[in-house]
Amino acid sequence: AQSVAQPEDQVNVAEGNPLTVKCTYSVSGNPYLFWYVQYPNRGLQFLLKYITGDNLVKGSYGFEAEFNKSQTSFHLKKPSALVSDSALYFCAVRPSLGGSTLGRLYFGRGTQLTVWP
Amino acid sequence: GAVVSQHPSRVICKSGTSVKIECRSLDFQATTMFWYRQFPKQSLMLMATSNEGSKATYEQGVEKDKFLINHASLTLSTLTVTSAHPEDSSFYICSATGQGGYNSPLHFGNGTRLTVT
Repeated sequence: AQSVAQPEDQVNVAEGNPLTVKCTYSVSGNPYLFWYVQYPNRGLQFLLKYITGDNLVKGSYGFEAEFNKSQTSFHLKKPSALVSDSALYFCAVRPSLGGSTLGRLYFGRGTQLTVWP
Repeated sequence: GAVVSQHPSRVICKSGTSVKIECRSLDFQATTMFWYRQFPKQSLMLMATSNEGSKATYEQGVEKDKFLINHASLTLSTLTVTSAHPEDSSFYICSATGQGGYNSPLHFGNGTRLTVT
């Protein structure tokens, strides 16, 4: 079965500090992994993706994520948080195998990031 | 590029009426679109997968006669909530796969906030 886990409902950090939003996954075959951000009453915005290649992926707004196959994790990171980074973050996985499930995204339940001044 | 426009952004309707939500890919052709529903502080729940020119594939537990999906062209999919009831009040989000195939991220509309009174 395909699944994504975001173990933290809430992450709070001070502005200027590094942040990490955790994600682990379970999927058939090699995973395609994505991070999205959602601001209130808005759709999701794509941040970054891992398909293949370097385990460290760089994305929008200074975010990056590290793919760790042995730990089946894809944690989102940023070296220095901004107040404007405060939003809801979703990790998602798309299986590369699986017949009818091919193409669809499976989302984690989201992590609310709050960066205080 | 890869903009998805969703309309309306907010709608209030009376119980028993029907509401149509439009999702358009503005600068690319979307053979597949996805409709999600999001409850407050919760993740996205996939409702159905919409393929151009064919019937939508509904997820288990989603009433296809209540949530009518039409994907008549490569740039437009519509979701009609028929005979709406207060429990249908939610945030509905559409998304579309770009032309890069399974490597490409989903692009999301900004969502529709439906309130049924």
